[in-house]
Amino acid sequence: SQQGEEDPQALSIQEGENATMNCSYKTSINNLQWYRQNSGRGLVHLILIRSNEREKHSGRLRVTLDTSKKSSSLLITASRAADTASYFCATRNSGGSNYKLTFGKGTLLTVNP
Amino acid sequence: DGGITQSPKYLFRKEGQNVTLSCEQNLNHDAMYWYRQDPGQGLRLIYYSQIVNDFQKGDIAEGYSVSREKKESFPLTVTSAQKNPTAFYLCASSLPRGPTDTQYFGPGTRLTVL
Repeated sequence: SQQGEEDPQALSIQEGENATMNCSYKTSINNLQWYRQNSGRGLVHLILIRSNEREKHSGRLRVTLDTSKKSSSLLITASRAADTASYFCATRNSGGSNYKLTFGKGTLLTVNP
Repeated sequence: DGGITQSPKYLFRKEGQNVTLSCEQNLNHDAMYWYRQDPGQGLRLIYYSQIVNDFQKGDIAEGYSVSREKKESFPLTVTSAQKNPTAFYLCASSLPRGPTDTQYFGPGTRLTVL
């Protein structure tokens, strides 16, 4: 079953603009991760935020987490054409002994030069 | 050059045939995973293995089978019992190092049933 739901499904912006993608989930989590997928390729891990963290930065990426609303956002600043890809959030539920991730359906980001 | 490889990149199968997708990693990871991705959809977990000679069903295991005889290899067989096998298949691996474990993905195999 898919837990994360990204919003919007698709986003088109101009180079240099900021891109914000949102993810909502349903159950208690240990952490939330964001992955990127270029068309027809595998996924690449971008950033992980733990349930006790509210904000995290990595280069041009900023991730926030609101566990009370069960939601997260990914902000890409000063976007580039090379940022064009699909972005997925993935959650790891709290408890349990396995390391399964549950992925959302993704946001397709298009950055126009 | 460490990484995770999948072969073939494209695979065509006739209805009623079994087909095996290869996944190999040289990252010395204990855990490996198989996902299925349909157009415009997220990833759905088929099977996963946390250690050699052990594997668990994921959310959509019906019509699929796996083996984990070696740490480096986790082949996926798509059987004729899988009614709609046309999809993009992704293999991943991880250490694992606990809940903050992250996954490394292969480039994927696109399977088309003719």
